[in-house]
Amino acid sequence: GENVEQHPSTLSVQEGDSAVIKCTYSDSASNYFPWYKQELGKRPQLIIDIRSNVGEKKDQRIAVTLNKTAKHFSLHITETQPEDSAVYFCAAPRFGSGNTGKLIFGQGTTLQVKP
Amino acid sequence: DGGITQSPKYLFRKEGQNVTLSCEQNLNHDAMYWYRQDPGQGLRLIYYSQIVNDFQKGDIAEGYSVSREKKESFPLTVTSAQKNPTAFYLCASSMFVGDRINTGELFFGEGSRLTVL
Repeated sequence: GENVEQHPSTLSVQEGDSAVIKCTYSDSASNYFPWYKQELGKRPQLIIDIRSNVGEKKDQRIAVTLNKTAKHFSLHITETQPEDSAVYFCAAPRFGSGNTGKLIFGQGTTLQVKP
Repeated sequence: DGGITQSPKYLFRKEGQNVTLSCEQNLNHDAMYWYRQDPGQGLRLIYYSQIVNDFQKGDIAEGYSVSREKKESFPLTVTSAQKNPTAFYLCASSMFVGDRINTGELFFGEGSRLTVL
């Protein structure tokens, strides 16, 4: 079944620097790759996603890139701010023997942005 | 105010007791999920339901049970058979369970923290 590996587990950057979080997946049928952000004590929320028919997607300071051949996708945050500090999760669908895919999450990355 | 509500927020249980975590959504979503969150292990799928009166095991279903008698509700029971139940439990819903063409965004509740004494 689908396995999603996420690195690094913790990341500390200075305010204004860039942060990159990487995930690899195993199921070549995976077609959708979301990123969720979980601030301390709050619920995870979708911040950006990418589908397998595109290689990159941007939304202001965040972007996601996808390399289907290598089966990895990355979250890029530019000009980091203290409010970017949170736990970030990547995910990919596991299809198994059926047509429906359940999201399988990576282990999470705790990002700390130092002012 | 549309959303997904979990209760209780904090719960303490003695060993050997069953406890039930509530999850209610008013988003009119067909699919609902339970995830367990442990430090360093991400979110692991316990059970999910695509439609009323139907549910499927996830990766770590042992020691848990669910029901889906109403579209809005998907309660999770942590039974005494669950060997390590202390964790943070997240309920989520989506318009549908994704297929090879479409995938539904997950909307999460605020979680329930269960501690076994």
